[in-house]
Parts: sequence; structure tokens; C-alpha cells
Amino acid sequence: EPEVTQTPSHQVTQMGQEVILRCVPISNHLYFYWYRQILGQKVEFLVSFYNNEISEKSEIFDDQFSVERPDGSNFTLKIRSTKLEDSAMYFCASKVRGGTEAFFGQGTRLTVV
Amino acid sequence: RKEVEQDPGPFNVPEGATVAFNCTYSNSASQSFFWYRQDCRKEPKLLMSVYSSGNEDGRFTAQLNRASQYISLLIRDSKLSDSATYLCVVKRGGNTGKLIFGQGTTLQVKP
Repeated sequence: EPEVTQTPSHQVTQMGQEVILRCVPISNHLYFYWYRQILGQKVEFLVSFYNNEISEKSEIFDDQFSVERPDGSNFTLKIRSTKLEDSAMYFCASKVRGGTEAFFGQGTRLTVV
Repeated sequence: RKEVEQDPGPFNVPEGATVAFNCTYSNSASQSFFWYRQDCRKEPKLLMSVYSSGNEDGRFTAQLNRASQYISLLIRDSKLSDSATYLCVVKRGGNTGKLIFGQGTTLQVKP
């Protein structure tokens, strides 16, 4: 069964460092998303991406964040200068055109120390 | 006011029990409605979509009341494997619309 895959599963980084979280969406999907979940809190929308551009972003997704689809298969989330409060589980999701279900990857746990 | 509100629980029930979860949403522009299941430290997985006419999938029944902006999930004959957090989710904004998650309701089914 096709699935969304994310790497790494866990990343520890020092405050102020740049991190790149990677996702490989399901191959025929056209809509891509990043969500995050701080421990004990709800899942929060960060950004949606379609046709090689951001279609919507939340207030959380400030200038420190960027997304890219560099090679037609990977979908990345970059955090330029990590803060302690960026520590969370980051989920990538993808969806087909016209579909209702977004399929989530298993997540990357980011720990900023 | 939170856009999607759920009672966080936990709901502790014996195997075989029937349990109901409720959810309210505040934005009347919400277009699609779902229940997701999330196991501890795992990704959310779609349990079922929710329609105004009500829909059933085995032991699970979901209902939407647009007038009251209220969504429900009923689980009959609870199994130990139903223990998880159940997330009420709404979607706005057409095909690229983001998902808005509730806090989740935790269910613990005990033998």
C-alpha cells in the first residue's frame, strides 16, 4: 500500500541551527501539507503546497520556515534558525486532486536543545 | 473560542461498552468533517468521514448536525484495540483546504 514516508524519524538539533525535514508523498498526489504537534497539544496546520507554490500558510509558518519540492518527489520543510519552542512532531501529508482523505507520514520528532 | 472543541476525556470503559464522543465547530464555512484516530506518538489516521445523513462503518457511527455545528462518533462493542485518541477534524477552503484538528478525546478500553 502506498504511503507517505518521512525522514529522519527523530532529529535532535541545537538552538539556532538549521534543520531540513524530508517527506516523500504518495506518487500520484498533488497536494502536500506540513502539520506539527507539540507534545500534549493538538495537531496544527503549518502550510499547504500545490502546483509548486504555497497555497496557504498559518501564523506559525513565519519567515523562519520554508518549503520546497526540489526534485518532483521530495517535499521538504526547512527551519532556518531553530528555537526551543520548535520542538514538536512534524507530520507531512498528501492528497490526490478531488480526494477527501489526506494521508499522513509517520512524522519526524524534532527536539531542539 | 477554539475552532474545534472536544472533551479531552479520558473515557475509561470496559470491553463491550458503547461510548459516544462529541465535537463542536465554530466556523459555519467548514465544508468537510472527519474523525481521525491517533495512537500514542503516531500519525493521525482517517477513521471515517462524517455526513449529514449519518454514516456507519462496522461498529462506528458518525453523525453531523450542521445547524448545531455538532459532530458525533459512536463506538459500539468496544475492543481493547479501540484504545486511542479520537480527533475531530474539519476542512475548509475547497480542494487545498487545511485540516483543523480538535484537541482529541482519549479512550481507554479495559478488559
